[in-house]
Amino acid sequence: GAGVSQSPSNKVTEKGKDVELRCDPISGHTALYWYRQRLGQGLEFLIYFQGNSAPDKSGLPSDRFSAERTGESVSTLTIQRTQQEDSAVYLCASSLWTGPYEQYFGPGTRLTVT
Amino acid sequence: SQQGEEDPQALSIQEGENATMNCSYKTSINNLQWYRQNSGRGLVHLILIRSNEREKHSGRLRVTLDTSKKSSSLLITASRAADTASYFCATSTGAQKLVFGQGTRLTINP
Repeated sequence: GAGVSQSPSNKVTEKGKDVELRCDPISGHTALYWYRQRLGQGLEFLIYFQGNSAPDKSGLPSDRFSAERTGESVSTLTIQRTQQEDSAVYLCASSLWTGPYEQYFGPGTRLTVT
Repeated sequence: SQQGEEDPQALSIQEGENATMNCSYKTSINNLQWYRQNSGRGLVHLILIRSNEREKHSGRLRVTLDTSKKSSSLLITASRAADTASYFCATSTGAQKLVFGQGTRLTINP
């Protein structure tokens, strides 16, 4: 079956503009995660959705970052008033709720803020 | 904050040799997972070991877990050029959220 998809694959934007990143999880996966990965670094957790529960937003770095998910499908991560330090690869992953919780990752969106 | 810390940060070996990477973590865990990342893009799940397991094998991969030392190791035997990638450990404390380490960059030289 299809894996996790993300779009766009690359995004170049000017400082101060808003960007929207999209993630399509694997069908039937109720859990969805967003991570940020700066060059040469590990993954930084941003936000986690599980079914209809309130999302875990504990990793969002500032109020410029927000994310939404429609039911158990598509999610969008929005970054408002982008800054150069937002430049990174944004990775989305999905998993089953029932465990063993291995996560399936999309190819990522490489965001460059100029 | 990062839960897992991989060691070494970078490892370069000859094809055919074994590669060992280590991961240490700070709090009690439910399970620990290892992932591989090629070319800075999506991660691929390699293996999961539960907190009540001590060793697990998958093909050329061998993972050990020592909960008393809060550490895990990933051994890749008979390495191949295609094994060149970054390897990350990730810990779960019972909830689904994973906390990833900084990764080990493995280079296999032909």
